Amino acid sequence: AQSVTQPDIHITVSEGASLELRCNYSYGATPYLFWYVQSPGQGLQLLLKYFSGDTLVQGIKGFEAEFKRSQSSFNLRKPSVHWSDAAEYFCAVAPPNTGGGNKLTFGTGTQLKVEL
Amino acid sequence: ETGVTQTPRHLVMGMTNKKSLKCEQHLGHNAMYWYKQSAKKPLELMFVYNFKEQTENNSVPSRFSPECPNSSHLFLHLHTLQPEDSALYLCASSHSGGTTDTQYFGPGTRLTVL
Repeated sequence: AQSVTQPDIHITVSEGASLELRCNYSYGATPYLFWYVQSPGQGLQLLLKYFSGDTLVQGIKGFEAEFKRSQSSFNLRKPSVHWSDAAEYFCAVAPPNTGGGNKLTFGTGTQLKVEL
Repeated sequence: ETGVTQTPRHLVMGMTNKKSLKCEQHLGHNAMYWYKQSAKKPLELMFVYNFKEQTENNSVPSRFSPECPNSSHLFLHLHTLQPEDSALYLCASSHSGGTTDTQYFGPGTRLTVL
């Protein structure tokens, strides 16, 4: 069965500092990979996704993620964090080429706190 | 309204009550989803509807009963719930349920079962 691990439950960074959120997955083949963000009282918003091709993916709000097959990782990065980035971040995977719905499996999330 | 809306935003119910959660999407999508988000646990996919047909039931107890009367509306009927069912219930929609589709989420209904 596929699984997603986000090893950091909480991360605190200073505004303007760089950020890296870790995500590792377990799956027989290369799954489709996603990062979502959830602000308090809000639903999840897609930041970026990887299906194939260039392993460095650009997303919204200045985020990027790099797929590393050898490490089964899809880490999220941002060069300079803004206070408004404080939220919970979820990594998710979906099996490729399945019909009948997009069956996302989520990690447990990383809560990001930004210090001013 | 735009996007995915959910009502009510908060719900408190006793174990013997019957209540329903409503989700509406204004995006012209054909697939809709229910997720459960419990504290310190990953989001769990509960149900998937594609063109009004249920295509996924992720071993959800029968006290949760989904209904999808059309592609824009999704309900979750609740009956005889347990305290461990207290969670944030999220609805999402996507274009057609394909694996490359982006899912758009509503803000959720915070459910508390007493």
